[in-house]
Amino acid sequence: DQQVKQNSPSLSVQEGRISILNCDYTNSMFDYFLWYKKYPAEGPTFLISISSIKDKNEDGRFTVFLNKSAKHLSLHIVPSQPGDSAVYFCAARVPLAGGTSYGKLTFGQGTILTVHP
Amino acid sequence: DAGVTQSPTHLIKTRGQQVTLRCSPISGHKSVSWYQQVLGQGPQFIFQYYEKEERGRGNFPDRFSARQFPNYSSELNVNALLLGDSALYLCASSRVGTVNQPQHFGDGTRLSIL
Repeated sequence: DQQVKQNSPSLSVQEGRISILNCDYTNSMFDYFLWYKKYPAEGPTFLISISSIKDKNEDGRFTVFLNKSAKHLSLHIVPSQPGDSAVYFCAARVPLAGGTSYGKLTFGQGTILTVHP
Repeated sequence: DAGVTQSPTHLIKTRGQQVTLRCSPISGHKSVSWYQQVLGQGPQFIFQYYEKEERGRGNFPDRFSARQFPNYSSELNVNALLLGDSALYLCASSRVGTVNQPQHFGDGTRLSIL
């Protein structure tokens, strides 16, 4: 049962335009959502996150939107740069015993973003 | 500051053998989690540890075990290796005591089973 889904395996965007990566989830217990970027032969790098009590969080070129009623998460990158080309994973946390400091992350399958010069 | 460090980088084992993977968290991070990533998939949760106690466990058989040391470093052990255990094993660390801290990942150990 895939609780976090990224339905687009790949996305191709022109440099300078907006990249929109999407993620859907099914588990109502998720309380914290994250986006990671992964280059080949490296571990995932944390990009941006959002708590379930918010609907938007911005950090520079990156904005994450959360629509709880639709159980949908998206990452906007504006403007896109060739260095943004990587695999992007969305992840969602279910808190474990002990409070919101802990939690296991459930990941989507990833979306390969290619930004063309 | 150094990030999460994992060793070894690559490892080749044969079926039935045992393996130990090591992880040092970011300085100041007291929680360590382990994930398995197979090709074409997102990472899958194996364990989370804090203060040397297991705080959570994913859907993995008992052949997988882990522990955390007083300096917050951690080891993941896998016994009786199977071909299907071939994967990238990722370690992540995070702060605790503050709400909503992201997990930060190391570059992983690539385990190949022959």
